[in-house]
Amino acid sequence: AQTVTQSQPEMSVQEAETVTLSCTYDTSESNYYLFWYKQPPSRQMILVIRQEAYKQQNATENRFSVNFQKAAKSFSLKISDSQLGDTAMYFCAFMEYGNKLVFGAGTILRVKS
Amino acid sequence: EPEVTQTPSHQVTQMGQEVILRCVPISNHLYFYWYRQILGQKVEFLVSFYNNEISEKSEIFDDQFSVERPDGSNFTLKIRSTKLEDSAMYFCASISAGDSYNEQFFGPGTRLTVL
Repeated sequence: AQTVTQSQPEMSVQEAETVTLSCTYDTSESNYYLFWYKQPPSRQMILVIRQEAYKQQNATENRFSVNFQKAAKSFSLKISDSQLGDTAMYFCAFMEYGNKLVFGAGTILRVKS
Repeated sequence: EPEVTQTPSHQVTQMGQEVILRCVPISNHLYFYWYRQILGQKVEFLVSFYNNEISEKSEIFDDQFSVERPDGSNFTLKIRSTKLEDSAMYFCASISAGDSYNEQFFGPGTRLTVL
């Protein structure tokens, strides 16, 4: 079974600084998808960024980028120029094609002014 | 922009009562999911549904749970006899068969409180 591990329960960052959230996963599959979801206090699940395993290029969405290391099964999220609105729980998630999402335990990110 | 909707936003029920949580997926989506998140914990998969039948379910999804798509638009999760430990946020999600990114669109969730 696939597992997703987020080793940082909580992180803090100063506004405008850069922070990196870690995620590792375990799978025997070669084709899959990886996601980072943001969950603010409203508890809505918001997709931040996604990566297809067969693509070597790291995904980027504005201030958010990933460092995808397939051999190491690592998928970290970098947030540049952190903003107060980035304060939230962040979940890393794994999905085989057409299958369910498997989530990590989450990292609480606090952006301080 | 189309979105997944869920009703009610908050449901309070007594232990042993039946509850039905409702979801309206995005109209051209074909795969549907229910997830659960106990407060402060990670999001857990409950069940996936495709072509009017369950395609996969987790060990959490026991005989107390059922899903159906009664009218082609709604997708419901029924808990027959609620327990205290069923208190959680329940999320519905859907995906388009043609989405090459396999993005699951989540609803806003229903907070279930069992007293």
